[in-house]
Amino acid sequence: QSALTQPASVSGSPGQSITISCTGTSSDVGGYNYVSWYQQHPGKAPKLMISDVSNRPSGVSNRFSGSKSDNTASLTISGLQAEDEADYYCSSYTSSTPYVFGTGTKVTVL
Amino acid sequence: QVQLQESGPGLVKPSETLSLTCTVSGGSISTYYWSWIRQPPGMGLEWIGYISYSGSTNYNPSLKSRVTISVDTSKNQFSLNLNSVTAADTAVYYCARHGSGYSYDYWGQGTLVTVSS
Repeated sequence: QSALTQPASVSGSPGQSITISCTGTSSDVGGYNYVSWYQQHPGKAPKLMISDVSNRPSGVSNRFSGSKSDNTASLTISGLQAEDEADYYCSSYTSSTPYVFGTGTKVTVL
Repeated sequence: QVQLQESGPGLVKPSETLSLTCTVSGGSISTYYWSWIRQPPGMGLEWIGYISYSGSTNYNPSLKSRVTISVDTSKNQFSLNLNSVTAADTAVYYCARHGSGYSYDYWGQGTLVTVSS
């Protein structure tokens, strides 16, 4: 099972919106509504930001939203803030592994 | 508030067995599934395997021949054994609880395990 494909880096200015993509196949992202997103600051454990494609856990800012179209899931961060600078990983249930993570995206706030 | 804490040796010799324990506090280990996930330095996340409260397991096919995950409900702990380790197994190892929709809602802080002689 290959890792899901994410852009290596995405950047934006404070206040802007950015979108991170997560591309898989019909055996993972496209086949199930079980995509989750994690935020990881340097030296810290990942933090769940989105589950089930678009559900935001309690305590997570509503500036974070998730969606999916065909084999690609997306995480949008609106009103970008300095504290959002981190690595972001997607994850999906798969028919084989049964879990696979994305390659990771470094978000830079300019 | 549920908390997870990994413990175990930070240095393991090549060909030996890596053993880690995750202690769960603030909640029962029963009724949930629990995973081990690792992250080599500077790289991405890799799912290792999971165990249910009843002891059923599922492992990443790429590691299946070397991995064993067990649970001790009396101690609210679950453990990872990875045998025949090489330098490629050097990583930060995390334990995590399964949440909604195959997500991981609680994570340990992670523990760095280095494989070196």
